Amino acid sequence: EVHLEESGGGLVQPGGSMRLSCTFSQLTFSHYWMHWVRQAPGKGLVWVSRVSPDGRSADYADFVKGRFTASRDNAKNTLSLQMNSLRVEDTAVYYCVSLGYSDEVWGQGLLVTVPS
Amino acid sequence: QSALAQPASVSGSPGQSIAISCTGSSSDIGSSIFVFWYQQYPGKVPKLMIFEGTKRPSGVSDRFSGSKSGNTATLTISGLQPEDEADYYCCSFTESYTHIFGTGTKVTVL
Repeated sequence: EVHLEESGGGLVQPGGSMRLSCTFSQLTFSHYWMHWVRQAPGKGLVWVSRVSPDGRSADYADFVKGRFTASRDNAKNTLSLQMNSLRVEDTAVYYCVSLGYSDEVWGQGLLVTVPS
Repeated sequence: QSALAQPASVSGSPGQSIAISCTGSSSDIGSSIFVFWYQQYPGKVPKLMIFEGTKRPSGVSDRFSGSKSGNTATLTISGLQPEDEADYYCCSFTESYTHIFGTGTKVTVL
């Protein structure tokens, strides 16, 4: 079964940093653009970032640009999201996802809480 | 960039058809074939229902269909069933090489 296993998450103080990881079980994911999507409690889905299949390029939503860095290591089947200068409004469940492919798969989601 | 505009709620009776609109701009929906629709139940992971504007992934009921005209995409659910009651989100690739989701629509089956 195709699987995305996320790790990291938890409570972090404003201004702090946190790293999320996503391990993919299927080698074909190394050929896919991989994305991060978040959802604040009770709110809608929001696109955060994507990383190219070879890991050489990444794109970001304006509200995380300069604070978040997405990367991947295909040799370790791992996608990462380094989040710095965290704000209260970054509180959300973060999902890694192979967005938009017909065989799209989502991770289980990780709650990141930045308390006020 | 703000979210794509969707109606907050849409309702229908079992067996009816409903349509959910998703309005963007010439910088996203209007210029991209990469428009997606998601279904999400409370507390659950979203599920892809439509990709590339009109295509259904394997296993998705043919009661779900997608279309696009100009800067607006539409998800139509025909033969509405109780299990269709969920939140629905559109998503589009943009000219800035980012993606943008819609505001979300709660579908209620009366």
